[in-house]
Amino acid sequence: AQSVTQLDSQVPVFEEAPVELRCNYSSSVSVYLFWYVQYPNQGLQLLLKYLSGSTLVESINGFEAEFNKSQTSFHLRKPSVHISDTAEYFCAVSDRSGANNLFFGTGTRLTVIP
Amino acid sequence: IAGITQAPTSQILAAGRRMTLRCTQDMRHNAMYWYRQDLGLGLRLIHYSNTAGTTGKGEVPDGYSVSRANTDDFPLTLASAVPSQTSVYFCASSARMNTGELFFGEGSRLTVL
Repeated sequence: AQSVTQLDSQVPVFEEAPVELRCNYSSSVSVYLFWYVQYPNQGLQLLLKYLSGSTLVESINGFEAEFNKSQTSFHLRKPSVHISDTAEYFCAVSDRSGANNLFFGTGTRLTVIP
Repeated sequence: IAGITQAPTSQILAAGRRMTLRCTQDMRHNAMYWYRQDLGLGLRLIHYSNTAGTTGKGEVPDGYSVSRANTDDFPLTLASAVPSQTSVYFCASSARMNTGELFFGEGSRLTVL
């Protein structure tokens, strides 16, 4: 089975500063990797995904994540955060058999300080 | 607007009572899922359904049951609620069963006293 570790439960950062949210996974098979975002009182939304191909994936709102197989990591980065990025971010991993085997990390709360 | 509708949005329930959380999607997705979200534990899969008429157990299925009579509806039932089932419950669906790309509802907050 797969597992995901998000080491930072809370990350405060000033507006327009860069941020990195860390995600490490463990799996004995090839995986798909995801970042989901949850804004207050809402469900989760897919932010970006790695399925295959280029190891650097980007979202439409400036976030990016890089799949690093040797370090089993999929860290999320943004060079300049906005107030509107304040949310909970979840890393998730699945094997290639389907979303029945999708495992979420415990989440990182990003708080952007004006 | 297409998506997933969950009801109720919030409920307080006495221990021992029966409760059904409703979930309806209008995206014609084959696969549907129920997760619970608890502080410090992230999301954990309760039950899933890959297609109408079939269901399967997730990571934490005990105390819960589901049915999938048609494509659109996937209700979650707590036969006899216990305080440890206090949580926020999310229904999700997937168009592509072989990845983790899920669409989520806005959640149902359940408190069992």
